[in-house]
This record gives sequence, structure tokens and C-alpha cells, in this order.
Amino acid sequence: DGGITQSPKYLFRKEGQNVTLSCEQNLNHDAMYWYRQDPGQGLRLIYYSQIVNDFQKGDIAEGYSVSREKKESFPLTVTSAQKNPTAFYLCASSMDRPYQPQHFGDGTRLSIL
Amino acid sequence: KQEVTQIPAALSVPEGENLVLNCSFTDSAIYNLQWFRQDPGKGLTSLLLIQSSQREQTSGRLNASLDKSSGRSTLYIAASQPGDSATYLCAVPNAGGTSYGKLTFGQGTILTVHP
Repeated sequence: DGGITQSPKYLFRKEGQNVTLSCEQNLNHDAMYWYRQDPGQGLRLIYYSQIVNDFQKGDIAEGYSVSREKKESFPLTVTSAQKNPTAFYLCASSMDRPYQPQHFGDGTRLSIL
Repeated sequence: KQEVTQIPAALSVPEGENLVLNCSFTDSAIYNLQWFRQDPGKGLTSLLLIQSSQREQTSGRLNASLDKSSGRSTLYIAASQPGDSATYLCAVPNAGGTSYGKLTFGQGTILTVHP
């Protein structure tokens, strides 16, 4: 079955630590996205990538970094510079053309220890 | 900058009722509008995508309409069931820029259907 796999489901970060969230898709989609969801605030775009080896900042990129070395994979690193990392992180993918639906993974919940 | 608003923020209805969820957006230059469902602690499931040239899209008991000129979309759920209880979100990609998939989301409507 095609889909998007996010891991881990739950993640805990210590003070000063960088953590990496995994996102893998087997839908052969060109574009991949990372969103952050906070209670009562909807989803906000962190980073997106339209093609391998290229990515762009979204609305709230500070304190985060990404890479896109393979079409199937788009890992997100939450760095120690992100002072309020506790949130639900969602990865998505789509074909980078008009009228194409976006598909989502099941999310990773990140908390501070 | 695109802004998306969903009304109401929460809705509680008895089973069997027909209901309407509203979504409005400020910039009508969109390619399409997508409705999603989110169960607690889960990712988003795509329900319907309406292209900018379409007025309606239907899937089972769900019907979504789009009035691009007035910046509005509605999601109609017929004969609601307890299993419909979830958060419903709408999202639009802006027509400007180089990416077709940069979505702006509304804050969602939390739906509870009582048996």
C-alpha cells in the first residue's frame, strides 16, 4: 500500500538536544512538506521541497532544518534553537502540479523532558 | 497574505442530522480547495478536493461546494453518524509563487455527533 510513514510516533527532547523526525513516502510524489500543529492554531508550514536537493522555508522555519537527498525521504531536525518545540508534527506529500491532493502521515508528537 | 477561517469552531449534533461546515478565504486566486478530516492524535485524511473551476464535489454523504468569487466553501454532511465525530479542516494553495502545494489551513471545526 502506498503511503507516508512518519517515525517515531512519540519523541522526547532534552534541553540543548537536536532531534530528527523521519518522513518516508512511496507515492512517487515530487513535493514534500512539514507542518507543525499546535492546539487551537491549525497547521503551519515549516519547510517544503519540490525536488530532490532543494527545499524552501515556510512560515515558521526558525529553529528547524531539513534535507532532501532522496525523493522518498524528507527528514526534519528540530534544533536546540527552537525554544518551544512541543507540538504535533505532520509530514505531507503531493505531486507538484495544480489540482493535486496533499496526503499526510500519522504525525510525530514531540515533547520536552 | 491568505487567511482561512472556519465557522463554527465546534459543533455538537444528535445522530441523523444534516449539517454544514463553513470555510472562508481572503484571496480568491486559488487552484483548488481541499477538505480534510482529523481524528484525535492522528494525521489528516483527505475527504474532497474541489478544483477552482468546479462548483461542487461529492463523495458518499459528503458534498463540498466552492464559490471562489465570494471566497467561501461549505462541507455538507448528510445523515450524520457518531463515526463522523472528528475535526474537519479546509485548506487552500495560493496561485501565486512557484509551489502548487503550499497550503494555508483554517483552524478547523470540531464535530461531535451524539448517538
